[in-house]
Amino acid sequence: NAGVTQTPKFQVLKTGQSMTLQCAQDMNHNSMYWYRQDPGMGLRLIYYSASEGTTDKGEVPNGYNVSRLNKREFSLRLESAAPSQTSVYFCASSEFKHGELFFGEGSRLTVL
Amino acid sequence: GENVEQHPSTLSVQEGDSAVIKCTYSDSASNYFPWYKQELGKRPQLIIDIRSNVGEKKDQRIAVTLNKTAKHFSLHITETQPEDSAVYFCAASRAGGFKTIFGAGTRLFVKA
Repeated sequence: NAGVTQTPKFQVLKTGQSMTLQCAQDMNHNSMYWYRQDPGMGLRLIYYSASEGTTDKGEVPNGYNVSRLNKREFSLRLESAAPSQTSVYFCASSEFKHGELFFGEGSRLTVL
Repeated sequence: GENVEQHPSTLSVQEGDSAVIKCTYSDSASNYFPWYKQELGKRPQLIIDIRSNVGEKKDQRIAVTLNKTAKHFSLHITETQPEDSAVYFCAASRAGGFKTIFGAGTRLFVKA
């Protein structure tokens, strides 16, 4: 099992460009999440999907959109990237409503 | 809103000594408290968790204590080893909820 796989691992964008981060899990988990990690600020929840067909805002949703394509896949889209969105993005999944989070390897995004 | 504060932000100990990281949370409905370890350039991984019906939990050299009245929980690592060097995150989530709120992290250095 690969666990949680996210792509791309690295990306450089110019201000105003758009991009989509892809995430897939093969553990048959119901819930999926997108976090961003910034120095000194821990992991902050952007959006989550409790189950297929539902999505909800987390702590810092502004500037992002998400799509739960099916049970396996949960994508994060930046429509018009800003330098403040420079960060490391982690996708995660969990089997239970509040239980262990399984993280992907992270995607380092730089917006110039 | 929900908030988790974590202290200290940096901790340096000598190999063999103990390390203690403390967290406080604001949401009194929180009842699940996981701890994640993130090695440099890696994904966060769960090392231990505790639920509100338990005051203490131990797993080999790692223990977590919870004081629900004071809304405090702590991670204790005994007999530290160089491989314990990493960033540690505490987190909290509430019953029935999908949001896991993380502390800002503690960077632990274990000097050989």
